[in-house]
Amino acid sequence: QQQVKQSPQSLIVQKGGISIINCAYENTAFDYFPWYQQFPGKGPALLIAIRPDVSEKKEGRFTISFNKSAKQFSLHIMDSQPGDSATYFCAAIALMNRDDKIIFGKGTRLHILP
Amino acid sequence: DTEVTQTPKHLVMGMTNKKSLKCEQHMGHRAMYWYKQKAKKPPELMFVYSYEKLSINESVPSRFSPECPNSSLLNLHLHALQPEDSALYLCASSQVGGTLTGELFFGEGSRLTVL
Repeated sequence: QQQVKQSPQSLIVQKGGISIINCAYENTAFDYFPWYQQFPGKGPALLIAIRPDVSEKKEGRFTISFNKSAKQFSLHIMDSQPGDSATYFCAAIALMNRDDKIIFGKGTRLHILP
Repeated sequence: DTEVTQTPKHLVMGMTNKKSLKCEQHMGHRAMYWYKQKAKKPPELMFVYSYEKLSINESVPSRFSPECPNSSLLNLHLHALQPEDSALYLCASSQVGGTLTGELFFGEGSRLTVL
């Protein structure tokens, strides 16, 4: 059973536009939500992360919005650039479990048109 | 540049071969991981080592054998693999309970092709 649902599967955005990727979860034990960015031929790299006691976190052009009651969170990329073209994975962790398991969403392939 | 180094970057092997993937990190992390990633899929956890001891084995077939010789090194020994084992194998490291920060540091992966 998929524990983190991610959408869309793929996304095409014009340069300068806003890219939005959505994720939803069911397990209320999750208490940490990182986003990973993966370029072709590379391993994933942590992009930004949020805890559920915060509704929004911004780092440069990247913003996570978190809705605890709806159990949903999303990644917004402002002023999207061709260099942002990559696969993005949302993820969830139950820190209290201390089992070192990260549950990944299925990923979104983002393509920014030049 | 990634601080987790994986070798080889590419490996082609037959089903009767024995080979090993290697991973090294010098960040002082005491948790190390092996993930398998198929094309257009998220990474799938295979093994977790915590303080050089195997803490998680996600029901991985015995033809995959992990080894953690010391706190900086992680190996994955491969034997009698099947073509469906062809994938990108990712090594990662983190602080223990390492998910305390949610940050895994991934290597660039070893692209394995089984003929």
